[in-house]
Amino acid sequence: GAVVSQHPSWVICKSGTSVKIECRSLDFQATTMFWYRQFPKQSLMLMATSNEGSKATYEQGVEKDKFLINHASLTLSTLTVTSAHPEDSSFYICSARDAVEVYEQYFGPGTRLTVT
Amino acid sequence: GQNIDQPTEMTATEGAIVQINCTYQTSGFNGLFWYQQHAGEAPTFLSYNVLDGLEEKGRFSSFLSRSKGYSYLLLKELQMKDSASYLCAFYFYTDKLIFGTGTRLQVFP
Repeated sequence: GAVVSQHPSWVICKSGTSVKIECRSLDFQATTMFWYRQFPKQSLMLMATSNEGSKATYEQGVEKDKFLINHASLTLSTLTVTSAHPEDSSFYICSARDAVEVYEQYFGPGTRLTVT
Repeated sequence: GQNIDQPTEMTATEGAIVQINCTYQTSGFNGLFWYQQHAGEAPTFLSYNVLDGLEEKGRFSSFLSRSKGYSYLLLKELQMKDSASYLCAFYFYTDKLIFGTGTRLQVFP
């Protein structure tokens, strides 16, 4: 089956620094990837849609200058949390859309970000 | 916007049957997913409903009624490992997946 990886699986950073999270589709090409954020005991909230070779589309209320998304290849999307603050501490999950079974998204294992 | 509601928490006994509801006030979606998510892990796919009716997959079944604005996930022969969160999610023509509030299910022996 399709596999999506994320790196790192967890990260601790100091307030004011930036953190980059990678999302890779390992055995398929993903023209579209999605980034979600999940706070404890809450559901997944879509942050942005990332299309290869073009600018990401952000959901309402998500600051595009704070959450920088780059989708430079068909297998890699990155999310950079800039000037991180403790309230950015969350579980960040990416997913990749299968080009064949277009309705299905494959989720990465998630990245736990803690900002101190 | 979309209002997608699920019960926050449910409990059940091993071997029993449990139904997790997902009610919504949204339209224009392609289909509805159900995912299982264990704490600290990514969601895993359980089922996908496009048409109204019941989709059965082993111990799991999912039902959709667009006219009545609800879906449910039915889990049979509950096992301890079924303790997890269950999320309904709507798939839109824009490729977006919008998730419900999620239900934490705890299975007791």
